[in-house]
Amino acid sequence: EIVLTQSPDTLSLSPGERATLSCRASQSVGGNYLAWYQHKPGQAPRLLIYGASSRATGIPDRFSGSGSGTDFTLTISRLEPEDVAVYYCQQYGSSPRAFGQGTKVEIK
Amino acid sequence: QVQLVQSGSELKKPGASVNVSCKASGYLFTSYAMTWVRQAPGQGLEWIGWINTNTRNPTYAQGFAGRFVFSFDTSVRTAFLQITSLKAEDTAVYYCARGPAPLDYWGQGTLVTVSS
Repeated sequence: EIVLTQSPDTLSLSPGERATLSCRASQSVGGNYLAWYQHKPGQAPRLLIYGASSRATGIPDRFSGSGSGTDFTLTISRLEPEDVAVYYCQQYGSSPRAFGQGTKVEIK
Repeated sequence: QVQLVQSGSELKKPGASVNVSCKASGYLFTSYAMTWVRQAPGQGLEWIGWINTNTRNPTYAQGFAGRFVFSFDTSVRTAFLQITSLKAEDTAVYYCARGPAPLDYWGQGTLVTVSS
């Protein structure tokens, strides 16, 4: 079973700053099948990135994903107030397709 | 457009059962699996499992097999999550989502509250 560990737990940045979120897997993620989701309170989660680096439909290009194997990163190039949310990674290369514990992004 | 519309909030007593429904539209129901995810109060997303809408084969995360049952009715394009012998710790928002993964469309969530 692959365990995903996200860091940091909370990220507090000013608008326009760069946000770097990490997701580390306990074993290599097959096929780099790693997705990132954005989850705002009271809303359904939203798919941002799949296959480690492919942006989902309609996702702004300030969101980008990178990494392979056991280390993956979600970058928000210029943080905007509407990006306040909890971000989760999920691996889907093997079962169970568990989520990381999440990183909360706040605006200073 | 693709939509997943879930049933409304439920308040149940411990030991009771609950059925959460998820009605799909805008795509061929049997072309995509359906996944179930929950979020307990103050906690993160928890993957419950998924069901193959072609083979009817379900896959459950550890700790969910037994009391949690996935099913679907293709004639009404609706997936179901049944939870039996409810416990207080089952209190959560339950989401359906399209796919085994990545999960590209999500239902709006159903709050299940278990309280005496």
